Amino acid sequence: SQQGEEDPQALSIQEGENATMNCSYKTSINNLQWYRQNSGRGLVHLILIRSNEREKHSGRLRVTLDTSKKSSSLLITASRAADTASYFCATLPTGSGNTGKLIFGQGTTLQVKP
Amino acid sequence: NAGVMQNPRHLVRRRGQEARLRCSPMKGHSHVYWYRQLPEEGLKFMVYLQKENIIDESGMPKERFSAEFPKEGPSILRIQQVVRGDSAAYFCASSRPSGVQETQYFGPGTRLLVL
Repeated sequence: SQQGEEDPQALSIQEGENATMNCSYKTSINNLQWYRQNSGRGLVHLILIRSNEREKHSGRLRVTLDTSKKSSSLLITASRAADTASYFCATLPTGSGNTGKLIFGQGTTLQVKP
Repeated sequence: NAGVMQNPRHLVRRRGQEARLRCSPMKGHSHVYWYRQLPEEGLKFMVYLQKENIIDESGMPKERFSAEFPKEGPSILRIQQVVRGDSAAYFCASSRPSGVQETQYFGPGTRLLVL
């Protein structure tokens, strides 16, 4: 399996509900970033969490990082139809030769029904 | 402050032709990354450049692919003699010069279709 695997692969919820997506990775990291991608569009950066941080918030988004379990979660509260998109986690491994090479997971496709 | 710009947004090429993809980083950003996204997949790193230097090209195929980031002008990803398997979305990202741990901001991508 790959670095940065998201779970679940697909998620369908009703507007107003919360959505939780998980990401697992294999190697030690400098930071982990979450991105959103609308169908056929580019990636929008959501949150960056560093390896010495455990939790970060941004509006309706909450990201946690557990380096002992090598996992992260993205929680979207009070979801809206406009949150429908694919969500990717990307890790910056330590020892990557200082090249900034992000390792992306396969993504979670979120559908929020109005 | 304009974001990362890529052009063209869509590119159609026949097998054997050349594809040139351009990326202008955000103002003040001197680090550029290229990633490729195949349908229904995540992004895969290709190459990391700073001005006039290729720092890491470990994700780029050894043949037919090349990248540059000249002192003046945009970064260019060049694919020679394209094949159908090159059809994908190619994304460019840029980050500030303060280090590789900075946030990478992505452009809208170039969607390459090889006929």
